[in-house]
Amino acid sequence: AQSVTQLGSHVSVSEGALVLLRCNYSSSVPPYLFWYVQYPNQGLQLLLKYTSAATLVKGINGFEAEFKKSETSFHLTKPSAHMSDAAEYFCAVSETGANSKLTFGKGITLSVRP
Amino acid sequence: GAGVSQSPSNKVTEKGKDVELRCDPISGHTALYWYRQSLGQGLEFLIYFQGNSAPDKSGLPSDRFSAERTGGSVSTLTIQRTQQEDSAVYLCASSWNIGVGNTIYFGEGSWLTVV
Repeated sequence: AQSVTQLGSHVSVSEGALVLLRCNYSSSVPPYLFWYVQYPNQGLQLLLKYTSAATLVKGINGFEAEFKKSETSFHLTKPSAHMSDAAEYFCAVSETGANSKLTFGKGITLSVRP
Repeated sequence: GAGVSQSPSNKVTEKGKDVELRCDPISGHTALYWYRQSLGQGLEFLIYFQGNSAPDKSGLPSDRFSAERTGGSVSTLTIQRTQQEDSAVYLCASSWNIGVGNTIYFGEGSWLTVV
């Protein structure tokens, strides 16, 4: 069975600083990996997804993530944080050979300080 | 519609009452999912539909929870004899089909409060 671990529940950065949100996965087969963002009182929006093509995936709003099989990681980064990036971020996994049902991590709340 | 539509957006109900939550997926999407989001529990998978069939109901927490989908479109999640621990946001999502790797699009959720 697949699972995702997002260590910590809250990350705080200054505006303009690097954003790094960590995600590690566990899967018995090659995974598909996703990052979703949830702004206050809204649903989840897809930021980016890895589906076994390029290991470096670029998404919306300047975010990107790199799939590292050796580290079983799929960390999300953005070079320069904006105030508008404050939200909750979820990493999710689905398994090849199965179906598109997603298993989510607990989520990380990102705060951006002026 | 353009996105996944859920109703009601907010529902306050008394303990013991039944509630129905509705989801209208993106037009043409054959796969439909229900998730629950609550404090401390993150996002929990409840059930998914492919067409009108539900191959995976493994996440439904008890027999008080049920869901159906008709016409391959609208789905209803029903919670009978609601309990306070049922208070959560119920998120519906849809995708083109059930194939792995398909992008899943989420609605804004139905906020349920049981008092």
